[in-house]
Amino acid sequence: DTAVSQTPKYLVTQMGNDKSIKCEQNLGHDTMYWYKQDSKKFLKIMFSYNNKELIINETVPNRFSPKSPDKAHLNLHINSLELGDSAVYFCASSQGMGEASSYKNIQYFGAGTRLSVL
Amino acid sequence: QQQVKQSPQSLIVQKGGISIINCAYENTAFDYFPWYQQFPGKGPALLIAIRPDVSEKKEGRFTISFNKSAKQFSLHIMDSQPGDSATYFCAALTTSGTYKYIFGTGTRLKVLA
Repeated sequence: DTAVSQTPKYLVTQMGNDKSIKCEQNLGHDTMYWYKQDSKKFLKIMFSYNNKELIINETVPNRFSPKSPDKAHLNLHINSLELGDSAVYFCASSQGMGEASSYKNIQYFGAGTRLSVL
Repeated sequence: QQQVKQSPQSLIVQKGGISIINCAYENTAFDYFPWYQQFPGKGPALLIAIRPDVSEKKEGRFTISFNKSAKQFSLHIMDSQPGDSATYFCAALTTSGTYKYIFGTGTRLKVLA
């Protein structure tokens, strides 16, 4: 049973297209995140949702739009894809955010979605 | 002030050797420091974590050393094995007040057989 699952694992598409990446967690966590990892392995947070509410929205082009239909799902939709969007996108979840109990802040990551924009 | 500086960027160690990765932070509001391990094609996974009221934490071959006054912490991998070859990320977060969760820039470790 995969705790945090993302689909698809690979996504190859043309510039200008619109695509979505889906994420589901079965850990019962309240908080979900999207990260972008570039070719140099830098992990950069993009969004965070806590109980379906947007909490963190880093400086990300508005072509990226997260959608959280329920606590267990956080999908990422990308409009008008550009070459620079090519990266590995990770979904993660944690029991909470800013919790006094440290273990509740630990993030569990999915296996990633490798996006290649041609 | 929000950065976590990690070094080295890459590290090559002989089997059986000690791997040491260092991180430094500025924000004194950080109060929890996890380390994540990432294998190729996988997402990062928690390896070990420490709170700043503890100077050292050991789990098997992995040890975190924490120096609160210097605002530095490091990961030591004793008896390094080829299976330890991965990218390691330190992180720092706040568990109260304004939420912050910052990852270091990663260290690619290669352990030679």
